[in-house]
Amino acid sequence: GAVVSQHPSWVICKSGTSVKIECRSLDFQATTMFWYRQFPKQSLMLMATSNEGSKATYEQGVEKDKFLINHASLTLSTLTVTSAHPEDSSFYICSARGGGFNSPLHFGNGTRLTVT
Amino acid sequence: DQQVKQNSPSLSVQEGRISILNCDYTNSMFDYFLWYKKYPAEGPTFLISISSIKDKNEDGRFTVFLNKSAKHLSLHIVPSQPGDSAVYFCAASEEAAGNKLTFGGGTRVLVKP
Repeated sequence: GAVVSQHPSWVICKSGTSVKIECRSLDFQATTMFWYRQFPKQSLMLMATSNEGSKATYEQGVEKDKFLINHASLTLSTLTVTSAHPEDSSFYICSARGGGFNSPLHFGNGTRLTVT
Repeated sequence: DQQVKQNSPSLSVQEGRISILNCDYTNSMFDYFLWYKKYPAEGPTFLISISSIKDKNEDGRFTVFLNKSAKHLSLHIVPSQPGDSAVYFCAASEEAAGNKLTFGGGTRVLVKP
């Protein structure tokens, strides 16, 4: 089945630094990837849609200058949290569609970000 | 405004019995519905889906029912097994909106041996 790999699985950084999270589709090409964020005991909230070769589409309330998304190839999307603050501490999960337009999304294992 | 709601935050069931998880939605434009299972510190794993043109889809121990008029779907797991203990999310998407998933708040299922 479709495999999505996310790296790193956890990261601790200091306030004011930037952190890059990678999302790779291992056995399929993904023109579109999605980035979600989950706070403790809450649901997954869509942050942005990453489109290969073009700008990402951000959901309302998500700062595009803070959460930089780059989808430079059909198998890799990156999310960079710039100038991280403690309130950015969360679980970030990427996903990609492994088949046709209406096939299920497959998720990476997530990245636990802790900003101190 | 929460478009997808799972009103039961938790469910406890005995091994071998049926687990029934419920999900309600408000957006009548949703045309594709999915259930995901999630363990702590891991990404969600796809379980089963249903298109709005159907009212039932079955895959092994998992069956999803869709009642479009009531904007309600449910997931039945039978028989429940201890390994089913996890958080279950229902999700919905609208093809015209690019098939972005909107998730419910999740239901934590505990299957007791």
